[in-house]
Amino acid sequence: DAGITQSPRHKVTETGTPVTLRCHQTENHRYMYWYRQDPGHGLRLIHYSYGVKDTDKGEVSDGYSVSRSKTEDFLLTLESATSSQTSVYFCAITPGLAASYEQYFGPGTRLTVT
Amino acid sequence: AQSVTQLDSQVPVFEEAPVELRCNYSSSVSVYLFWYVQYPNQGLQLLLKYLSGSTLVKGINGFEAEFNKSQTSFHLRKPSVHISDTAEYFCAVIVNTDKLIFGTGTRLQVFP
Repeated sequence: DAGITQSPRHKVTETGTPVTLRCHQTENHRYMYWYRQDPGHGLRLIHYSYGVKDTDKGEVSDGYSVSRSKTEDFLLTLESATSSQTSVYFCAITPGLAASYEQYFGPGTRLTVT
Repeated sequence: AQSVTQLDSQVPVFEEAPVELRCNYSSSVSVYLFWYVQYPNQGLQLLLKYLSGSTLVKGINGFEAEFNKSQTSFHLRKPSVHISDTAEYFCAVIVNTDKLIFGTGTRLQVFP
C-alpha cells in the first residue's frame, strides 16, 4: 500500500464549514497528489506537490488549498465546504525522489457535505 | 488537450469467459499508459503499465494489455475471468508531464 494513510476515512460536514483532510506517508516520497473521484468522471487531480512547500494546481483546484510543511504530510483544505465537494478523496504518491510516472493510492476519504 | 476514453461504462461477463476492456487516448506524442483496478470501498491498485519496449504488457492477476500506437489504444484483456475480478477498472495516461489523466472507468461485473 506504499505506506499511505488518509484521515479521516469518513466525514460529514455542513455547508460553509472548513474541512482539512490529511495524507500521511512514511517512505520519504517527493511527489504527492490529491484527487477526487466522482461517478462518471473518474479521478480528477486537485493539487499536487513536488516537495516541501512546493505545490501546484491540478484540473479542479477551485475551492481547495493545500499545504506541505514536511515531507510526510500533504494536507487538503476546503475553506468553505459546498455540496458540490461531496466526493471521495484520494491521496497518491510517486515512489522515490524522481517522477517515475506510476502512482500509488491511499485508501480514500469519503466526504459528505450537507 | 489529452484525453482518455473508456467507451464501456459497464461490462457484464460470465465467470471463465474472456474479457476485453477498451481504452483509447488522444495524443500525437509519446505517452505512458496505465491500468488501475479499484475493488469496492478501496483505493486504486496498479494493474500494469506501458512505458516503452514491448507493446504487450503483462500485469497482475492474469491481466495483459496491448499498446497500439496506430489506433491510439491500450485495451485490457484477460482470457478467463473470476468472480473476484469484479471491480472498476481505470485507464490512465501521462503525456509529457507527471500528471495522470484518467478515463471515466469501466465496471466489470462477473457472474457465476
